[in-house]
Amino acid sequence: NAGVMQNPRHLVRRRGQEARLRCSPMKGHSHVYWYRQLPEEGLKFMVYLQKENIIDESGMPKERFSAEFPKEGPSILRIQQVVRGDSAAYFCASSPPRGGGSNYGYTFGSGTRLTVV
Amino acid sequence: GENVEQHPSTLSVQEGDSAVIKCTYSDSASNYFPWYKQELGKGPQLIIDIRSNVGEKKDQRIAVTLNKTAKHFSLHITETQPEDSAVYFCAASRYGANAGKSTFGDGTTLTVKP
Repeated sequence: NAGVMQNPRHLVRRRGQEARLRCSPMKGHSHVYWYRQLPEEGLKFMVYLQKENIIDESGMPKERFSAEFPKEGPSILRIQQVVRGDSAAYFCASSPPRGGGSNYGYTFGSGTRLTVV
Repeated sequence: GENVEQHPSTLSVQEGDSAVIKCTYSDSASNYFPWYKQELGKGPQLIIDIRSNVGEKKDQRIAVTLNKTAKHFSLHITETQPEDSAVYFCAASRYGANAGKSTFGDGTTLTVKP
């Protein structure tokens, strides 16, 4: 049973380009979360999605950032017109449906390290 | 929203000693408290968790305690080993139908000296 798969592992973009980060959750997991981690810092929440729905995007910057989790395929975090300040590690996590009886902890992917030059 | 504070930010211990990391949370509705270990270049990995209806949970050398009244929870690692060296994150969230995101502390860098 594969874990959370993120790709690419490393992504270099020039200022003004677009970055697309992909995340395939664990099998059976229907909840996806994106977090950003700056060097030497903690994990900052960005967005929480279920299939075809954005549940909570309170951590997403108002401009240039968007996320989706379509019915088929991986979740995508998209950053348009990247700037140097977007350089960070972006982690995706997934969890099973959060009714009673499940393990509620996240399973994290290995992250995508975005570098804007 | 929820706010989680974690202390200390760095912790250095001798191999075989115990390590304790403490977190406080602000939202009394939070009822699920996981701990994650992150090794260099990797994603965080869940190592132990506790729900608000339990005061303490233990798994081999790792234990977590929760004080709901004080909104405080702690990670205890006994008989530390060099491979325990990593960054540890606490988090707070809710489980159940109204569950949402986890809010993380800023992390503790644990160094275990051989």
